[in-house]
Amino acid sequence: GQQVMQIPQYQHVQEGEDFTTYCNSSTTLSNIQWYKQRPGGHPVFLIQLVKSGEVKKQKRLTFQFGEAKKNSSLHITATQTTDVGTYFCAGGPGNQFYFGTGTSLTVIP
Amino acid sequence: SAVISQKPSRDICQRGTSLTIQCQVDSQVTMMFWYRQQPGQSLTLIATANQGSEATYESGFVIDKFPISRPNLTFSTLTVSNMSPEDSSIYLCSAQGQGGFQETQYFGPGTRLLVL
Repeated sequence: GQQVMQIPQYQHVQEGEDFTTYCNSSTTLSNIQWYKQRPGGHPVFLIQLVKSGEVKKQKRLTFQFGEAKKNSSLHITATQTTDVGTYFCAGGPGNQFYFGTGTSLTVIP
Repeated sequence: SAVISQKPSRDICQRGTSLTIQCQVDSQVTMMFWYRQQPGQSLTLIATANQGSEATYESGFVIDKFPISRPNLTFSTLTVSNMSPEDSSIYLCSAQGQGGFQETQYFGPGTRLLVL
């Protein structure tokens, strides 16, 4: 079945340091979405990537979709305490979205 | 953006009983999904709720255990039937394909279920 893995599982960074989470799928994805979930909250949509090799930026966040459409990454520049949470990628071969295992980010002030 | 509400927000149930969770979207959406999330874990897709037809279930989930309804483009229900403690989890509905935000998937606040 569909498997979407993320690494690392946990990441602790000092405020101001950069952070990257990687997402890898066992199958080709039609598109990929990224979400942020704060503790006790529900996932909040960040972005969707559709095209092979696509790169999108949102302020300090940079999202990439691999050429083979089987992997993706989220990079945060100069982390802030407000970036704390778990970041999930999600994608599938069609309209379903299978969530990755998530990366929990802790930012130390 | 779409606003999604879920009822109940939480419940404690006895094993062997059933609970129906309601999901209401404030605007018409194309797709609605149901997920399950254990605390500290990722989300697992249960099914896609199809408007006017039977839901599409993912591997490991069956209609007898998780019957789903979607009578219109703004509302869906998920029933957790014949519950056991293993069903204790957070159940989330989501919606996608709303107006000018076609690609955005919005999530409800979740229903926290504890089965004793």
